[in-house]
Parts: sequence; C-alpha cells; structure tokens
Amino acid sequence: AQRVTQPEKLLSVFKGAPVELKCNYSYSGSPELFWYVQYSRQRLQLLLRHISRESIKGFTADLNKGETSFHLKKPFAQEEDSAMYYCALGKAAGNKLTFGGGTRVLVKP
Amino acid sequence: KAGVTQTPRYLIKTRGQQVTLSCSPISGHRSVSWYQQTPGQGLQFLFEYFSETQRNKGNFPGRFSGRQFSNSRSEMNVSTLELGDSALYLCASSLSPTENYGYTFGSGTRLTVV
Repeated sequence: AQRVTQPEKLLSVFKGAPVELKCNYSYSGSPELFWYVQYSRQRLQLLLRHISRESIKGFTADLNKGETSFHLKKPFAQEEDSAMYYCALGKAAGNKLTFGGGTRVLVKP
Repeated sequence: KAGVTQTPRYLIKTRGQQVTLSCSPISGHRSVSWYQQTPGQGLQFLFEYFSETQRNKGNFPGRFSGRQFSNSRSEMNVSTLELGDSALYLCASSLSPTENYGYTFGSGTRLTVV
C-alpha cells in the first residue's frame, strides 16, 4: 500500500534561515513524487515534481530511493513561504495521489 | 486560461439528504479527480475519471459516486449524507492519466452536513 509520512505538523523558522520539510514514502513500484503548497485562502497548487528536477521559488527536493524520502529544502526562507505544504506520491502511470498529512511552515520576521 | 471551476463553493445539507457537486476542468484537460479534505483525515482520493470512465476509486463507501461527461466536466454525488461527510471536496484536472504532470486543483466545495 502507498503511504506518505510528513513527520512535522509545524515548522517555525526565522526569515533567512534554512528550512527543510521531511517526507518519507512507502511504495513498491516506481514512484512519482510531488510537493504541493497551499497559501492562506488560496487553492492547493503544485510546487514541484521530482521528475523535472526543477527549482521553484528557491525550493528543491531530491528523491532518495534508498531512504524512500523526498525532502523539500530552501536555503533562505522568506515570509511569503509561510503556507501548508503537502508531499504526494503517485504511480508512474495514473493520477491517483496519496498525500501526506501536511506541514505548516511559519516564517517569522 | 480559466482554471478548474467548482460549484457551488459552499453547501449546507441535512443528514440523509443527497448532494451533487460539479467540476469544470481546465480546457483541454481530460482527466478529473476528486479528493476529500478533512482536518482529521487530510486529503483522501475519491475517484478519477478519464474519457467518461472511472479509472480509479478510493476507499469510500458506495454512497459516493461520480461521473464525467463528454466535455470532461465531472460531477460527484453523495447520497444519504452523514455528519462525517462534512469536508472540503476538491476537484483536480490534468491532461491525461498516462503521464503524471501533476494536478491543477479547484478551490473546492465546502460541504457542511447538519
């Protein structure tokens, strides 16, 4: 069965400090992993996909198949990064996503 | 271009009633999925439709059903509503189910069952 675990419900960091959101998954096949973000009063939106290996808004995430992790990192947090972040696991083909419980990030000035 | 549109935005229903929620995907997107979001259970997959066919279904009782029309618009229906069905129901669309580019989500329909 697919499972996604985000161990931190809340991360509080100061502006300019690094931030790392942890995501661990369990899946026996070839995973597709995503990070979604939900800013206050906005819809859930895709932040990045592991297959594109891109950096969005300064965030990066590396898939570590050995550790079954897909942690999200940003070297210097900004106040506008305050939001709810969800890690999600999908199949290599097919659009069913399994979401983690989410991590709320609060960036303090 | 227009995003994913869900109607209505808010609904209040009484236990035992049924409800129908609507979702219009982004133009050109043919895959539509539905998710339930609650504080306790988080985001849970309900079902996915492509070309008017249900491709995947989550672990929800048969009271939850859906369909997709030839223009890719989708509806989901919940019959015999229970208090626990109170949630934000999110619709998401993508180009196709064969390549996972990630979803575009709608703003959701907030259903309150009293």
